[in-house]
Amino acid sequence: AQSVTQPDIHITVSEGASLELRCNYSYGATPYLFWYVQSPGQGLQLLLKYFSGDTLVQGIKGFEAEFKRSQSSFNLRKPSVHWSDAAEYFCAVVTSWGGTASKLTFGTGTRLQVTL
Amino acid sequence: DAGVTQSPTHLIKTRGQQVTLRCSPKSGHDTVSWYQQALGQGPQFIFQYYEEEERQRGNFPDRFSGHQFPNYSSELNVNALLLGDSALYLCASSFLLTGTGANVLTFGAGSRLTVL
Repeated sequence: AQSVTQPDIHITVSEGASLELRCNYSYGATPYLFWYVQSPGQGLQLLLKYFSGDTLVQGIKGFEAEFKRSQSSFNLRKPSVHWSDAAEYFCAVVTSWGGTASKLTFGTGTRLQVTL
Repeated sequence: DAGVTQSPTHLIKTRGQQVTLRCSPKSGHDTVSWYQQALGQGPQFIFQYYEEEERQRGNFPDRFSGHQFPNYSSELNVNALLLGDSALYLCASSFLLTGTGANVLTFGAGSRLTVL
C-alpha cells in the first residue's frame, strides 16, 4: 500500500541552525510529493511540491526539498531556521486519482521546535 | 482573494448527534476534498467532490456523507457521532493542473469538532 513515513516525531533546533526533515514514501510509480506546514490552530500551507523534472525543488519561506528515487525519499531542508518556523510539518504523496481529482496520503508529521 | 473558508471553526456535540460542516472553496477552484485530522496525526482523506458528485472516498463509514452545490461549496455531514469522531476537519479545494494530472490543494483552517 502507498504510504508516507516521517521518522522524526519531534525535532528541536537552534535559531540560525540548519534543518533537515526526513520523508520516505512507498509508491510504485513516479510520485507526486508535497510538503505542508501547519501552525497551531491553523490549516495546512503548501511549502513546495515535486511533480517531475529537477529533483531539487525550491519552496516558500526559504525551504527546499530533494527527491531521491533510489532512496524513496523527499527530505525538506532549510539552511537557517527562524523562530517563526516552529510548526508541524507534513509530507504527502498523491496515491490515487479520480478523474480530475487526486487523493493525498499524509505522513504523521514532524513537530519542529526552535530554541533561541 | 479569499482562500478556503470553513464554518463553524469550533463546535461541541454529544454522542449520537449529527453535525454539518461547511466549506467555500477558493475562487477558481472546482474540486473540494475533506480530510479528518485526529490529534497528533496527519490528515486522513474522507472524500472528494467534483461536479456535484463524490469522486473518491477514503476508508470512512457511511455515517460520513457530503454534498457539493452548483457554486462549488460543500458540506460534510456526520451522523450518529462517536467520541472517536473528535478531530479537526479540513476542507481543501483544488483545480486540475493542465498536463500534470495532479491537483494542488489549498486548505482551509478547519472546523474543530469535539464529541462529548
